[in-house]
Amino acid sequence: AQSVTQLDSHVSVSEGTPVLLRCNYSSSYSPSLFWYVQHPNKGLQLLLKYTSAATLVKGINGFEAEFKKSETSFHLTKPSAHMSDAAEYFCVVSARNTGFQKLVFGTGTRLLVSP
Amino acid sequence: SQTIHQWPATLVQPVGSPLSLECTVEGTSNPNLYWYRQAAGRGLQLLFYSVGIGQISSEVPQNLSASRPQDRQFILSSKKLLLSDSGFYLCAWSQLAGYTGELFFGEGSRLTVL
Repeated sequence: AQSVTQLDSHVSVSEGTPVLLRCNYSSSYSPSLFWYVQHPNKGLQLLLKYTSAATLVKGINGFEAEFKKSETSFHLTKPSAHMSDAAEYFCVVSARNTGFQKLVFGTGTRLLVSP
Repeated sequence: SQTIHQWPATLVQPVGSPLSLECTVEGTSNPNLYWYRQAAGRGLQLLFYSVGIGQISSEVPQNLSASRPQDRQFILSSKKLLLSDSGFYLCAWSQLAGYTGELFFGEGSRLTVL
């Protein structure tokens, strides 16, 4: 079975400072991993995805994440936060060798960005 | 390009009343379709998914049902709403062929049951 744990329910940063959102996963199979972002009262948008190619994955809006198998982690980072980054972020895991890939969502991390 | 429409955006319903949320996808054919529910402070819970017309799989036992009367139409229903049905409902689609795990979400429907 697959699961993800987002270690922080809230993260607060100042504009211009680095962002780190932590995610640990558990999967019986070689996983695919994703980060989605949700702005208030909106649907979710894919930020980036890891599917067994390069372990450092670059996404939209300057975000990137590194797949570390030894640590079972897939943390999301950004060098410099922008006010528009304030949103909820979800780490997601999918088992790639199942017939129908069901995504398992973490409980989310709310990113607060102050001026 | 593909688009997904979901309505209504907000809904306030009394306990015991029926529910119908509708989702349509444009610009693609044979999509996988999904209904998720997001409760306050929690992650997304998969309620139903469909790989084709009339093919519905339920993930959790509940007061809700889903139907797919057309290839790109997905409907979430209830005959009698419960207080616990309140939440933010999200429809999503993904490619059937060459599925990579990416879901494309609608804007969501916020349901409040009073």
